[in-house]
Amino acid sequence: GESVGLHLPTLSVQEGDNSIINCAYSNSASDYFIWYKQESGKGPQFIIDIRSNMDKRQGQRVTVLLNKTVKHLSLQIAATQPGDSAVYFCAENQTGRRALTFGSGTRLQVQP
Amino acid sequence: GAVVSQHPSWVICKSGTSVKIECRSLDFQATTMFWYRQFPKQSLMLMATSNEGSKATYEQGVEKDKFLINHASLTLSTLTVTSAHPEDSSFYICSAREASRGETQYFGPGTRLLVL
Repeated sequence: GESVGLHLPTLSVQEGDNSIINCAYSNSASDYFIWYKQESGKGPQFIIDIRSNMDKRQGQRVTVLLNKTVKHLSLQIAATQPGDSAVYFCAENQTGRRALTFGSGTRLQVQP
Repeated sequence: GAVVSQHPSWVICKSGTSVKIECRSLDFQATTMFWYRQFPKQSLMLMATSNEGSKATYEQGVEKDKFLINHASLTLSTLTVTSAHPEDSSFYICSAREASRGETQYFGPGTRLLVL
């Protein structure tokens, strides 16, 4: 069935390095994508979103890249900090649906 | 802006009792609210979608008579876990969406339920 999945369950980086978290989706009708950050025991926090008519969007220290050809989404975090340690989820929305479909999540561990 | 609260943040109850969880959008009117369940080290699983003033739409496999959802106003939705059992222990998270803000969902802090 259609799904959104992640390549890496855990990513460990050194403080100050750049992080790249990847996500694959299978539904070509998906037209809206969001990255969320979830810290332990808390609800997901919106990071950045992108529509399918774009291939790149930048925020503060974060960049989302969308490759519709291979149905791939990535989140880049510049100068990763200890406070960035969390689980990151990608989510997608299909045309006509109100609910998001979440990927399985990637845990980012930032080593001091 | 776009703050969503949940109450309580955690609850412990005995098996067979019912538990009500509230989800509120504090600074916007939520035309649609969503309820998710999350087990440890797993992703969020959508349970149901609710629109203000209408019946909730449940995902496949979610018992509507066990998980009662009420969305009586544009700022409040409640989830009642009826006759809770230990297997219902989980992290329940709501999210809210406002039509004018597009498709972005804003999440509450979650409610941890432990059924003994």
